[in-house]
Parts: sequence; C-alpha cells; structure tokens
Amino acid sequence: AQTVTQSQPEMSVQEAETVTLSCTYDTSESDYYLFWYKQPPSRQMILVIRQEAYKQQNATENRFSVNFQKAAKSFSLKISDSQLGDAAMYFCAYRTSGGGADGLTFGKGTHLIIQP
Amino acid sequence: DAGVTQSPTHLIKTRGQHVTLRCSPISGHKSVSWYQQVLGQGPQFIFQYYEKEERGRGNFPDRFSARQFPNYSSELNVNALLLGDSALYLCASSFSVGTGGTEAFFGQGTRLTVV
Repeated sequence: AQTVTQSQPEMSVQEAETVTLSCTYDTSESDYYLFWYKQPPSRQMILVIRQEAYKQQNATENRFSVNFQKAAKSFSLKISDSQLGDAAMYFCAYRTSGGGADGLTFGKGTHLIIQP
Repeated sequence: DAGVTQSPTHLIKTRGQHVTLRCSPISGHKSVSWYQQVLGQGPQFIFQYYEKEERGRGNFPDRFSARQFPNYSSELNVNALLLGDSALYLCASSFSVGTGGTEAFFGQGTRLTVV
C-alpha cells in the first residue's frame, strides 16, 4: 500500500516571502500521479498542482511549483510571493495511474500560516 | 455551473443510529468518490463509484456502504454509528476513472457528529 508523509504539521511565512512544504511517499509503482491540495476553512479541497511521475520536468502553476525527486520519493511544494489568501491546510496526495479505482492517498497535512 | 454539492452540511446523530449522506456530482461527471476526514488528519478513501458500479473500496468496515444512481448522484450510508465515525465526509467527482491524472473536484463536505 502507498503511504504519504508530511513531516511539517505547521509552517509560518511572512507575506510576500517564499515557503516550501515537504512531502515524501512510499510506493512500489513506477507510474503514478502526485498532487497538492489546499483546504481553506471553507473545507472544500482545491487542487493546487499535479505532477505525473514519468515526466521529469517539475510542474508549475503561477506562484506554485514543485520539486519532484522520483528516486528520493520526494515531492515538495514551493509557494512564491506568499499571499494572505494562501493560508490554509495543504495536503500532499498520491494516485496510481493504473486502471481500476483511483482513490487518492493523502498525507496528514501542513497548516500554513501567512504573517502580514 | 454548479460544483459538487453535498447534503446535509452538518448533522448530529446518536451512537447506534444510521445516517445517509448525499452527493451530487458536477454535471457530466460519472465518477463519485467518498472520503472520511477525521479532525487533524488527511482524508481517507472510502469508496469510488463509476457508471453506477463500485470501482474501489478503502479499508472501512461493512457498516459503510454506498450506491450511485442513474443520474450519477450518490449516497453514503453508515450503520450502527460509533463515536469514532465523527468526521467530515467529503465527496469528490471526476469525469472518468483509471487515467490517474484526472482532476477530482471536491464538495464542501458533511460534518457528522456522533454523540
């Protein structure tokens, strides 16, 4: 079974600064997808960024980028120019790329605090 | 277009009772998944349905069951409620399954409290 570990229960960053959230995972599969989801107090999970394992290029979405290290099974999220609206819980998630059910396996999350 | 809608938003039940949670997917989405999120934890996968058939089940007891209707909406049923079933129940819809990278769109969840 796959596992996802987020070792930082809480991170704090000054507005406009850069912060990196860590995620490691364990799997025996060679092809899979990794995701970062944001969960604000409204509770709705929102997709921030996704990465397919066979793609070597790190995904980027505006101020959000990832550092994907497949051999190390590491998938960190970098948020540049942090904004107050970035404050939320951030969850790293794994999904197999094979057929059948494709439920997401989530980490425990990192609470991101933005200091004004 | 409406997003994923879940009802009710909150409810309180007594131990031993039964509960039914409902989810309407985004129009055109044929897959619905259910997750349980206990306070302070990440969501845990319970079920996935696609085209009215169960495609996958997480490590949950048989007290948990679900179904998907012809209009692709879904119900999650939990029997013989325990205090430990208190959680936020999230529903996610996606257009298809089995392609891995398909984006899952989440609803705002149902907060279930068992007393």
